[in-house]
Amino acid sequence: KQEVTQIPAALSVPEGENLVLNCSFTDSAIYNLQWFRQDPGKGLTSLLLIQSSQREQTSGRLNASLDKSSGRSTLYIAASQPGDSATYLCAVRPSGTASKLTFGTGTRLQVTL
Amino acid sequence: SQTIHQWPATLVQPVGSPLSLECTVEGTSNPNLYWYRQAAGRGLQLLFYSVGIGQISSEVPQNLSASRPQDRQFILSSKKLLLSDSGFYLCAWSEDRVALHFGNGTRLTVT
Repeated sequence: KQEVTQIPAALSVPEGENLVLNCSFTDSAIYNLQWFRQDPGKGLTSLLLIQSSQREQTSGRLNASLDKSSGRSTLYIAASQPGDSATYLCAVRPSGTASKLTFGTGTRLQVTL
Repeated sequence: SQTIHQWPATLVQPVGSPLSLECTVEGTSNPNLYWYRQAAGRGLQLLFYSVGIGQISSEVPQNLSASRPQDRQFILSSKKLLLSDSGFYLCAWSEDRVALHFGNGTRLTVT
């Protein structure tokens, strides 16, 4: 059974700092991995999707990497801003025909002024 | 472009009352559709998913049910709500095994 872990559970950084969020998974037989952002009381917003054959994806100040063999992904946020404060979740989709993603429990990020 | 609509945004219902939450997707055909629940302080729990009209897979035994009467419509229902059904319900869609996209969620409080 796939298990997805995100450490740390919470993180507070000053504005302008670069930071890394971690996601680890136990079964490397994945089809893709997706990073989401969730603001309080809102739905999840997709940030980046990495296919299993890819090593990284970039969107603006965000860069996500994937090391499938070691079961790890990182989300790098450059020059953090208060507007980046949210909970960040990663999710893995298995290989094969299954349609179900397994989610981590998230990292709650606070960027302070 | 594709959009997903989920309503209502908030709902307060007494124990034992029925429930109907609706989700519709625009701008795509034959999407995979999902219902998730997010309880306070806990992760996302997959409740149901559907790969086509009338095709529903249930992940967690409970007093909830789901239906897909039309290609882009997904409904979550209950005949009698329990206190434990309180939570944040999220509908999501994807095209085959590509990116998953979520609606804005429904905050359900059962009193």
